[in-house]
Amino acid sequence: GNSVTQMEGPVTLSEEAFLTINCTYTATGYPSLFWYVQYPGEGLQLLLKATKADDKGSNKGFEATYRKETTSFHLEKGSVQVSDSAVYFCALQMDSSYKLIFGSGTRLLVRP
Amino acid sequence: ETGVTQTPRHLVMGMTNKKSLKCEQHLGHNAMYWYKQSAKKPLELMFVYSLEERVENNSVPSRFSPECPNSSHLFLHLHTLQPEDSALYLCASSQEVTRNTEAFFGQGTRLTVV
Repeated sequence: GNSVTQMEGPVTLSEEAFLTINCTYTATGYPSLFWYVQYPGEGLQLLLKATKADDKGSNKGFEATYRKETTSFHLEKGSVQVSDSAVYFCALQMDSSYKLIFGSGTRLLVRP
Repeated sequence: ETGVTQTPRHLVMGMTNKKSLKCEQHLGHNAMYWYKQSAKKPLELMFVYSLEERVENNSVPSRFSPECPNSSHLFLHLHTLQPEDSALYLCASSQEVTRNTEAFFGQGTRLTVV
């Protein structure tokens, strides 16, 4: 079946460090891919998305590129801030469905 | 108020209790969802409503009973729950039940079953 695998956290970084959170997917077909972020005590918010291969989603300094050849959608940011501390969820959505299939989430902790 | 609002934020209930979770959206959306978020597990889609009609029921135990009286309100009625039902329950809404429509989430209700 369709699924999303994320790196286990927590990921702990110092402020201004480079961030990568890995996400790979398994899907029959060509899904749309998403990153959602959940700040402490909040619900999930859409961070960025990409709907086809080689597309790059970007928002708030975060980027992710849809790589069909490696079935990946890794999240990156060049310089993290303390305010980026949150749980990040990778998700996919198949062509024929409205359903979002989420990964388990990766907690990011940024220290001053 | 804007967005998706869930009440209560925290709930502790015994296994013999009956309680309800409430979700309200002020976005004019037509679709609403219940998700269960357990520690270290992917979010699980529980129920989907489109224009107050249930379109999805993902083999959820009958001790969870959803209700959607109108397109702005969604309830999850709980009775005779088990400790393993303890989780964060998230409500979401979207414009329609279609692909590539953004889902907006509430802050969730943290449920503890004792």
